Amino acid sequence: GAVVSQHPSRVICKSGTSVKIECRSLDFQATTMFWYRQFPKQSLMLMATSNEGSKATYEQGVEKDKFLINHASLTLSTLTVTSAHPEDSSFYICSARAQTSGGSYNEQFFGPGTRLTVL
Amino acid sequence: AQKVTQAQTEISVVEKEDVTLDCVYETRDTTYYLFWYKQPPSGELVFLIRRNSFDEQNEISGRYSWNFQKSTSSFNFTITASQVVDSAVYFCALTKYSSASKIIFGSGTRLSIRP
Repeated sequence: GAVVSQHPSRVICKSGTSVKIECRSLDFQATTMFWYRQFPKQSLMLMATSNEGSKATYEQGVEKDKFLINHASLTLSTLTVTSAHPEDSSFYICSARAQTSGGSYNEQFFGPGTRLTVL
Repeated sequence: AQKVTQAQTEISVVEKEDVTLDCVYETRDTTYYLFWYKQPPSGELVFLIRRNSFDEQNEISGRYSWNFQKSTSSFNFTITASQVVDSAVYFCALTKYSSASKIIFGSGTRLSIRP
């Protein structure tokens, strides 16, 4: 199947700093990428949907000024956690959906996740 | 609104036992997709199955089987002869038929297989 990578896999930062997480589709072009957050022992919660070349659509309750999403190319989306605080510590997972092709379902492929710890 | 309910928070069984993970969903759409994912301790989601709402046939893949019943809005997952490697969190999920739709996840069931 298609591969989605995330970098870094793990990051520890100090409170108040900003952290950028990259999500790449390695062998396909992704017109749509999704960013999820997962707190310990909880489910994946969608944060935002980003389409290449346009502004991301954020879910209710997610601060767009705090979680900056850029989807500048068909293979790369970035999530920047600005002025991170300990409560932002979480597992961040991205997924990428291939370009649409007719009426068939276009699979959503998940990255391996990035574990963010804010001290 | 769409919703996925996994009532079983945690299940623990002894190796070789069969175990069924329940999933009940809500949607107003007549066409949709249902999924099961496995999340081992590493955290990476592993895709197990996708089923579209048109296809109510049960599916079997090795020790895994899925029972889709539209009448009860359920999509249950059974592991036969469980193994320790099956220990993980399992998520049931739902999405609209549209390719652009987001996936809605259930709360997950943590499965522990004891040797």
